Amino acid sequence: AQKVTQAQTEISVVEKEDVTLDCVYETRDTTYYLFWYKQPPSGELVFLIRRNSFDEQNEISGRYSWNFQKSTSSFNFTITASQVVDSAVYFCALSDPRNNDMRFGAGTRLTVKP
Amino acid sequence: GAVVSQHPSWVICKSGTSVKIECRSLDFQATTMFWYRQFPKQSLMLMATSNEGSKATYEQGVEKDKFLINHASLTLSTLTVTSAHPEDSSFYICSARDDMVLYEQYFGPGTRLTVT
Repeated sequence: AQKVTQAQTEISVVEKEDVTLDCVYETRDTTYYLFWYKQPPSGELVFLIRRNSFDEQNEISGRYSWNFQKSTSSFNFTITASQVVDSAVYFCALSDPRNNDMRFGAGTRLTVKP
Repeated sequence: GAVVSQHPSWVICKSGTSVKIECRSLDFQATTMFWYRQFPKQSLMLMATSNEGSKATYEQGVEKDKFLINHASLTLSTLTVTSAHPEDSSFYICSARDDMVLYEQYFGPGTRLTVT
């Protein structure tokens, strides 16, 4: 069975601090996709990144970076120099490419204070 | 980029009535669409997988007679909540899988249902 664990329920930081959101996954598949989504108060999911299981290269996009480590089944997300606009709920998700069955973690609510 | 729309964006209905939510892929074909439910401050839970031209596949614990899904075309899936009760109040989100890029799944903006 596939499972995604986001142990951090809520995180609060002050603007300009760096923050890392943890994601640990479980799957028996050798081929899978991992995702991060942002959900602002409006509710609409904002796609941030997709990573397939064969690509362990870390990625950086502006202030965002992702650390994928298959050895620890983790796909952590770091925001550098956080801003108030980063305040949202962030979801990590795992997808089975055979049927696109996507399982979401519980989400981490990030609050960035000015 | 690929766009998925949902209509309505929010709806209020009375207990016992039915409400239909539409999910459309605007610029791509989607043989498969997914319906999720999200209760306040909780995660998204997959309710069912909708397949064009065939019956939907429901997740364990989801009542198929209560949540009717019709995927009548390659760009439209509908979710009908029948005989709605206050506990059905939730945020319903659909997603559509691009037939040309099977690992891509695009999410709609969601529909907030309140049953009074």
